[in-house]
Amino acid sequence: NAGVTQTPKFQVLKTGQSMTLQCAQDMNHEYMSWYRQDPGMGLRLIHYSVGAGITDQGEVPNGYNVSRSTTEDFPLRLLSAAPSQTSVYFCASSVGDSYEQYFGPGTRLTVT
Amino acid sequence: GQQLNQSPQSMFIQEGEDVSMNCTSSSIFNTWLWYKQDPGEGPVLLIALYKAGELTSNGRLTAQFGITRKDSFLNISASIPSDVGIYFCAGRTSYGKLTFGQGTILTVHP
Repeated sequence: NAGVTQTPKFQVLKTGQSMTLQCAQDMNHEYMSWYRQDPGMGLRLIHYSVGAGITDQGEVPNGYNVSRSTTEDFPLRLLSAAPSQTSVYFCASSVGDSYEQYFGPGTRLTVT
Repeated sequence: GQQLNQSPQSMFIQEGEDVSMNCTSSSIFNTWLWYKQDPGEGPVLLIALYKAGELTSNGRLTAQFGITRKDSFLNISASIPSDVGIYFCAGRTSYGKLTFGQGTILTVHP
């Protein structure tokens, strides 16, 4: 199993550009989530999904959209990037919402 | 929202020393988790605690779930250079969402 994979590993965007961060898992996990990590603030939940077709907002959802059309994939979309979205983004998955989450390697995003 | 206070923010220790870090919260959690993050990688689960008062070991790591369900600590005994990284606590409510502490940056000098 590859576990949780994320692409790209690094990305630089200009303010106002859009892009999609990809996340995939091959463990047949129902629960998937996106976090952002900023210095001194730990990881904060952006959006999560308890299964295909179901998504919900986390702690810091503004400026991000998600969809879950399949069990395996959970992309995160930035519609109009802002410098405040410069961060490291982690995708995670677990069997269910009460089980241990496995994290991907992260995407480092810089918005200029 | 819920907040976790993790301390210390950073530690600089000599190889062989023991390490202790803790997390406290104003909210009650059903589960406490401890993760380690290596540079350029995602967090990896070290220990999971499910019951108040539970004490669990994983090799040189020991963690405890506080009786009040509002705190947890992690101890690392006889530190080695590969223990370097950022350690995060995380609390989970009955609704499944994780709340993370700010992290403890551990540096081990050989």
